[in-house]
Amino acid sequence: NAGVTQTPKFQVLKTGQSMTLQCAQDMNHNSMYWYRQDPGMGLRLIYYSASEGTTDKGEVPNGYNVSRLNKREFSLRLESAAPSQTSVYFCASLAIVNTGELFFGEGSRLTVL
Amino acid sequence: KNQVEQSPQSLIILEGKNCTLQCNYTVSPFSNLRWYKQDTGRGPVSLTIMTFSENTKSNGRYTATLDADTKQSSLHITASQLSDSASYICVVSRTPYKLSFGAGTTVTVRA
Repeated sequence: NAGVTQTPKFQVLKTGQSMTLQCAQDMNHNSMYWYRQDPGMGLRLIYYSASEGTTDKGEVPNGYNVSRLNKREFSLRLESAAPSQTSVYFCASLAIVNTGELFFGEGSRLTVL
Repeated sequence: KNQVEQSPQSLIILEGKNCTLQCNYTVSPFSNLRWYKQDTGRGPVSLTIMTFSENTKSNGRYTATLDADTKQSSLHITASQLSDSASYICVVSRTPYKLSFGAGTTVTVRA
């Protein structure tokens, strides 16, 4: 049972380069999320997808785009990476809407030089 | 503003000792409160969930309490083990899609 799988686990980019973080879940969850985690700060929501075919901005969406490719997959794209986007990115999916338990991936550590 | 404040920021305890982590929140409306454990280099994993009507919930050596009137929660770790070394994150839900995260408390257990 893989749960939530993120790729890549590590990536180094130069300022201005683009890249896509991939996320897939095998738990048949409707809702998926992208968060970033920075030292000393709580997880911050970038974008979420309440269900297949819908996406919405979270707390810190600037500089990012997302695609909900199908029920399993939710990707995060950085079109022109900036040093401020250096962070650890977590994808999560939501189980049982009323209880709000999130299942997280292992994280993707991104460094922008 | 919907905020979740955790204290202390970090703590060090000896193996076998107990410790208590605090979470104060101003989130409204309140749906539920979860404690997550995040091992270094891993994603967070849920430990407990507390709804408005629940005061105490245990998961093994982890016991969470909730006082919805004062908007405070605590996580008590009993007889700590080296594997308890992690960051513990308090998450308060307003709705399933509106979650507020605390910055976490880093616990280090030493032999």
